[in-house]
Amino acid sequence: EIVLTQSPGTLSLSPGERATLSCRASQSVTSSYLAWYQQKPGQAPRLLIFGASSRAAGIPDRFSGSGSGTDFTLTISRLEPEDFAVYYCQQYGSSSWTFGQGTKVEIK
Amino acid sequence: QLQLQESGPGLVKPSETLSLTCTVSGGSISRSSYYWGWIRQPPGKGLEWIATVYYSGTTYYNPSLKSRVTISIDTSKNQFSLKLSSVTAADSAVYYCARIGVSLGRGIDYWGQGTLVTVSS
Repeated sequence: EIVLTQSPGTLSLSPGERATLSCRASQSVTSSYLAWYQQKPGQAPRLLIFGASSRAAGIPDRFSGSGSGTDFTLTISRLEPEDFAVYYCQQYGSSSWTFGQGTKVEIK
Repeated sequence: QLQLQESGPGLVKPSETLSLTCTVSGGSISRSSYYWGWIRQPPGKGLEWIATVYYSGTTYYNPSLKSRVTISIDTSKNQFSLKLSSVTAADSAVYYCARIGVSLGRGIDYWGQGTLVTVSS
């Protein structure tokens, strides 16, 4: 089973700043099968990025994904007030889905 | 607009079987472009994938839960279901049903609102 480790656990930033979130896999992940989600309190997660770098429908272009192999990154170019939330990476491989433990982006 | 709605008991006794159903509206569950799955989230914790089913009936299970989980699909009712046996307090969580896109790299683009299941006597 592939384990995804996200860092940092918490990111304290101000609106307008750039956020860089990391997701590291215990073994190589097919880039096509790496996704990122945003979750706000009391809500279901929302798909942001699939295929490591493709934005899902309706996702603003301040969200971008990159990476390959075992290292993937979600970047939020300029934080808006509504972007403060928890972010999860997720991979699919060998007929199995796994999630990272999440990174909380909080207001500094 | 596609909608997914979980239904089932909110309280289950230890050692019993948790049963949930997801009703899909606004789209067919029989489309080959999608899988259908269950994900759970204990209060204050992260997401855990439980199981996935394809319209054909092919199933996929989390290895850590496989011995206790059954997922099934009923295309005539546009529903899919989850059974988790021998539950303990550790199975208390919000359970989400979800749609998984083949063309989205198996990403999850639609989620139900989630249903809280508490395991307690």
